[in-house]
Amino acid sequence: DAGVTQSPTHLIKTRGQQVTLRCSPKSGHDTVSWYQQALGQGPQFIFQYYEEEERQRGNFPDRFSGHQFPNYSSELNVNALLLGDSALYLCASTFWGQETQYFGPGTRLLVL
Amino acid sequence: GQQLNQSPQSMFIQEGEDVSMNCTSSSIFNTWLWYKQDPGEGPVLLIALYKAGELTSNGRLTAQFGITRKDSFLNISASIPSDVGIYFCAGQLTGNTPLVFGKGTRLSVIA
Repeated sequence: DAGVTQSPTHLIKTRGQQVTLRCSPKSGHDTVSWYQQALGQGPQFIFQYYEEEERQRGNFPDRFSGHQFPNYSSELNVNALLLGDSALYLCASTFWGQETQYFGPGTRLLVL
Repeated sequence: GQQLNQSPQSMFIQEGEDVSMNCTSSSIFNTWLWYKQDPGEGPVLLIALYKAGELTSNGRLTAQFGITRKDSFLNISASIPSDVGIYFCAGQLTGNTPLVFGKGTRLSVIA
């Protein structure tokens, strides 16, 4: 039973660039959420996707956008990168309406 | 964004000792979750609590959902070196709402 997978594992970008991160949910899960984890902090909710639509959004600017595909996988896009966007980006999946979320290993993004 | 209050921030204990950590919130949650995160990895779910007053165990780990629904506790008995890591609590209002995390408790175990 494959767990949540994310790619790439690490990424280095410069300010102003754009980045796309990818997530495949745990087998059977239909809901994907993205979280940003800064160093020394707990994860912060970015947004949630279900049925290819953004269902909920946290306090993040429009530079952060996403997409969910028919196979339930998801992408997180960040435009006009800032130094402060450097963080571990986590994807979590679950069944719609279920409480427990399972996390992937994350993508470590460094913005120089 | 909102974060839960987790304490202690860090702890150093001897192998074999018991550990207690807690998490408090100014608002009510209907689900409490405890995760462990190793360096460079994503959080791994340890215990999920769904009902106020509930006490749930997973091996040497025991967690409780506070009666007020504003707090939760995690205990680890007879700690071993592989317990080292950062423990996060997370609260959730309903199944479709985001998880709200604490800042974590960093546990170090001295052999």
